Amino acid sequence: QVQVVQSGAEVEKPGASVKVSCRASGYTFISYYIHWVRQAPGQGLEWMGTINPNGGSTTYAQRFQGRVTMTRDTSTTTVYMELSSLRSEDTAVYYCARVLEANSAYRGFDYWGQGTLVTVSP
Amino acid sequence: DIVMTQSPDSLAVSLGERATINCKSSQSVLYSSNNKNYLGWYQKKPGQPPKLLIYWASTRESGVPDRFSGSGSGTDFTLTISSLQAEDVAVYYCQQYYSTPITFGQGTRLEIK
Repeated sequence: QVQVVQSGAEVEKPGASVKVSCRASGYTFISYYIHWVRQAPGQGLEWMGTINPNGGSTTYAQRFQGRVTMTRDTSTTTVYMELSSLRSEDTAVYYCARVLEANSAYRGFDYWGQGTLVTVSP
Repeated sequence: DIVMTQSPDSLAVSLGERATINCKSSQSVLYSSNNKNYLGWYQKKPGQPPKLLIYWASTRESGVPDRFSGSGSGTDFTLTISSLQAEDVAVYYCQQYYSTPITFGQGTRLEIK
């Protein structure tokens, strides 16, 4: 069965970086794009970007350009999202999610990780 | 960017009654080459990740109860819960995946009256 499991909660200081992992299993890893979405406390859902595990190409939301890096490791079927120059407004739950349809970047997201709370605090 | 606007922001419905949530996009999310609306609906409960309910505006995801249905095309969409159950209390989001950045509506909080 498909599973998407994220790394645990992180506490970081302003200006630091955080790297969240997302391990996928139960399907052909390279066939499905992975997206990252975050939710700040009391706020809605915000899309950050996507990575194609087949080759590693990425598309980022413009507001995160220059601060976010998404990578993958096919040997461990894991995707990573690193966010740098953290500020308090980056405090949020970060989710990875698999796209619904193989070999398609933009579809609904059918399997989600459990979420990783990143807290940015002095 | 495509702006997604949901209405209402919150909604209280009696058990067994119908709940209707609307979503409007700032531009059409209908892709003419395949005649599909790039629109999804999600249910979000506290402490849980979002759950996909509907994709292509009206296709129910596997395992989703048939009391959930989606309709609409172009810029105007609706999520309907035909007979509200207690477990449907949640925040509901529409999402467009027609173009990047992918964007979500602000959410509609659904409660029991």
